[in-house]
Amino acid sequence: KAGVTQTPRYLIKTRGQQVTLSCSPISGHRSVSWYQQTPGQGLQFLFEYFSETQRNKGNFPGRFSGRQFSNSRSEMNVSTLELGDSALYLCASSLTGLGYTFGSGTRLTVV
Amino acid sequence: AQSVTQLDSHVSVSEGTPVLLRCNYSSSYSPSLFWYVQHPNKGLQLLLKYTSAATLVKGINGFEAEFKKSETSFHLTKPSAHMSDAAEYFCVVSDLLGGSQGNLIFGKGTKLSVKP
Repeated sequence: KAGVTQTPRYLIKTRGQQVTLSCSPISGHRSVSWYQQTPGQGLQFLFEYFSETQRNKGNFPGRFSGRQFSNSRSEMNVSTLELGDSALYLCASSLTGLGYTFGSGTRLTVV
Repeated sequence: AQSVTQLDSHVSVSEGTPVLLRCNYSSSYSPSLFWYVQHPNKGLQLLLKYTSAATLVKGINGFEAEFKKSETSFHLTKPSAHMSDAAEYFCVVSDLLGGSQGNLIFGKGTKLSVKP
């Protein structure tokens, strides 16, 4: 059974650009959450989607957005990139919400 | 608000000796608690979870954790460390106040080193 797949694994972008990250959940999982991991702030919740609806949102600026498609695949978008957005972005999916399976992440570097 | 505090940022043990990673939580509700492990350049793997059933929870790779409400603790233990256990461990509480289980609140992490 395939796990959570995140693409791409690595990205380098320039300040001011925008970026889109993709997450394919485990087949049958309808809940997808996104997290940002940095050395300074640790792991922080970005948002959660369930059946194409944003169900929960963390404390991030509006430059961070996401969506979920009918096949449960999810994308997150960051506009007007800043140096501080450099991080490992992790996606997680769940069937019941009582245990999330994480992908390997996308490492974003903003230069 | 719910929170978790991992009491040690770094723990070092010798191979074959017991492991203890400490976690205290703060919650106004009956919490769901988890331990995740992250190996270098990898995603997070669920070790075990507590969801108000048995207070002693057994996980993968010989790890277990005990939920102690009176002490608001959820410490992770393993009787005998292996070299492959070297990784970063995260104690996590699920934020029920957000209306869903999708908002996981992570501790700062404990890096476990295992010496030969």
